[in-house]
Amino acid sequence: AQTVTQSQPEMSVQEAETVTLSCTYDTSESNYYLFWYKQPPSRQMILVIRQEAYKQQNATENRFSVNFQKAAKSFSLKISDSQLGDTAMYFCASLNRDDKIIFGKGTRLHILP
Amino acid sequence: DTAVSQTPKYLVTQMGNDKSIKCEQNLGHDTMYWYKQDSKKFLKIMFSYNNKELIINETVPNRFSPKSPDKAHLNLHINSLELGDSAVYFCASSHPDYGYEQYFGPGTRLTVT
Repeated sequence: AQTVTQSQPEMSVQEAETVTLSCTYDTSESNYYLFWYKQPPSRQMILVIRQEAYKQQNATENRFSVNFQKAAKSFSLKISDSQLGDTAMYFCASLNRDDKIIFGKGTRLHILP
Repeated sequence: DTAVSQTPKYLVTQMGNDKSIKCEQNLGHDTMYWYKQDSKKFLKIMFSYNNKELIINETVPNRFSPKSPDKAHLNLHINSLELGDSAVYFCASSHPDYGYEQYFGPGTRLTVT
């Protein structure tokens, strides 16, 4: 069965620091997609970054980057130079060929001024 | 232009009533979804439609019935509402040409009293 685990329910960091959110997943597929979504207090779900499993290079989007370890089934998100606007729930998700996306339980991230 | 829209954004109703939530996407995507986010922020897929055809139907009470009149619309009808149905319901759409990224609507907060 496909599972996604986020082991950090809540984290707090000072503004401008770097923070890493962890995510592990389990799948029997050889090709799949991994995502990080952000949900600010407005509750809108926003895609932060996407990784295709067949690509070895780690995805990067401005201050957001991932550390994708396929053998270890790990997909952590690094936020550099954190900003107050990064305060949100962050969800890791995986998608197999059956089109069913599975979300982790989320990490609530607080950026402190 | 709103990519994925849902109406209403808030819905308060009494137990036993029947209600519908509407969803429309103007992205030209083939696949649409309904998700439920509970009070602990856990996000779970309920249904998925591809070109008006049901492809994912998770373990959801049959009081919930999705309807897709065309590939741009996916509505959710809920009969005999119960207290436990209170949640935020998200509609989303995706397309393989865009890496299966889920484009989410703003969510509908349903409160059953």
